[in-house]
Amino acid sequence: QVKLQQSGAELVKPGASVKLSCKTSGYTFSTSYMSWFKQIPGQSIEWIGMIYAGDGGTGYNQKFKGKATLTVDTSSSTAYMDLSSLTTEDSAVYFCARKGSPYNWFAYWGQGTLVTVSS
Amino acid sequence: DIQMTQSPASLSASLGETVTIECRASEDIYNGLAWYQQKPGKSPQLLIYNANSLHTGVPSRFSGSGSGTQYSLKINSLQSEDVASYFCQQYYDYPTFGGGTKLELK
Repeated sequence: QVKLQQSGAELVKPGASVKLSCKTSGYTFSTSYMSWFKQIPGQSIEWIGMIYAGDGGTGYNQKFKGKATLTVDTSSSTAYMDLSSLTTEDSAVYFCARKGSPYNWFAYWGQGTLVTVSS
Repeated sequence: DIQMTQSPASLSASLGETVTIECRASEDIYNGLAWYQQKPGKSPQLLIYNANSLHTGVPSRFSGSGSGTQYSLKINSLQSEDVASYFCQQYYDYPTFGGGTKLELK
């Protein structure tokens, strides 16, 4: 079955960067799209961007350009998201999710990674 | 950006009751709409896609309808396990979500 396993919670200092991972199994990663989302607890969900594992092509929400960088490692079927120049406003739960076919609904989600930015 | 306005923000209902959650898009999204259920500390779970198609394994008491800019999610015969937050999401353009509806038992 399809599984998306995200890396563990992170506590990082303001100004630092963090790299989150989303290890997948149960489907053909190399021909799939992966999206990433941000959710501050108790609030709604924001789409950060999407990457096509086949060629590494990306698309970003304008709001997160310069903040998030999406990459993949097809040899390990893992997607990554780098978050840079972190501030307290970046404290949130971040999810990876695989898009449906052929449209951008999301049937498979990781369990989420809590990022806390604090000095 | 396509803005999604969801209502109500919170809802209290009794077991067995029918509840409806509304979502309005800032422009026509041509049925490119999904609904999710999210329980505290968990990831969102897909309920409905294409505005009215029930995702595999989702109980038939959930249904979606609508067109153009107006969409709704209906839950028939509310069960205790339905207590959760619900979000609409459009995918006609890059994905955007409604503000969410928190459903509680009365």
